[in-house]
Amino acid sequence: GNSVTQMEGPVTLSEEAFLTINCTYTATGYPSLFWYVQYPGEGLQLLLKATKADDKGSNKGFEATYRKETTSFHLEKGSVQVSDSAVYFCALSDPPHSGGYQKVTFGTGTKLQVIP
Amino acid sequence: DSGVTQTPKHLITATGQRVTLRCSPRSGDLSVYWYQQSLDQGLQFLIQYYNGEERAKGNILERFSAQQFPDLHSELNLSSLELGDSALYFCASGHWDTQYFGPGTRLTVL
Repeated sequence: GNSVTQMEGPVTLSEEAFLTINCTYTATGYPSLFWYVQYPGEGLQLLLKATKADDKGSNKGFEATYRKETTSFHLEKGSVQVSDSAVYFCALSDPPHSGGYQKVTFGTGTKLQVIP
Repeated sequence: DSGVTQTPKHLITATGQRVTLRCSPRSGDLSVYWYQQSLDQGLQFLIQYYNGEERAKGNILERFSAQQFPDLHSELNLSSLELGDSALYFCASGHWDTQYFGPGTRLTVL
């Protein structure tokens, strides 16, 4: 079945540092890939997504590129802020098809702490 | 604010009891998804409803059930509660590739 592996956290960075959170996946075919973010005390929010190989998703300075050859979807940001402190979840779903539900499989989450 | 509301925010109960969690989706969304988030299992999909009908089932125990009402709000019923059911329960609405999550209900089973 589908699975997502994320790097263990917590990740602690100083403000303005470069961020990479690794994510690799196992799936058949061409799944859609997502990054969700969970701020303290809140539900998950979709951060970005990519639906086909070599697509780059981006939002709020975060980027991730769908790499089919390495089955990866690493999250990057050039300069993190204290407000980026949160838990980040990588996720995937089967490609869309008529009828049915495309189950979303989430990784275990990586906690990011940014210190001033 | 995602537009998805969940009540109650916190719930403390005893083993063997039954509880009901409530979710109201964003205006216009027909789908509701339920998830369980625990420290050891991570975020697990439980069940999806679409416009009142069950659409998909994930890792939902037989002691758990859900329904979606004509006004599209949904309830997750958890019965014969065990200590291991203590977790955060989220509902989400929207399309499968863009889900909007509520703030969650934290269930503590003592």
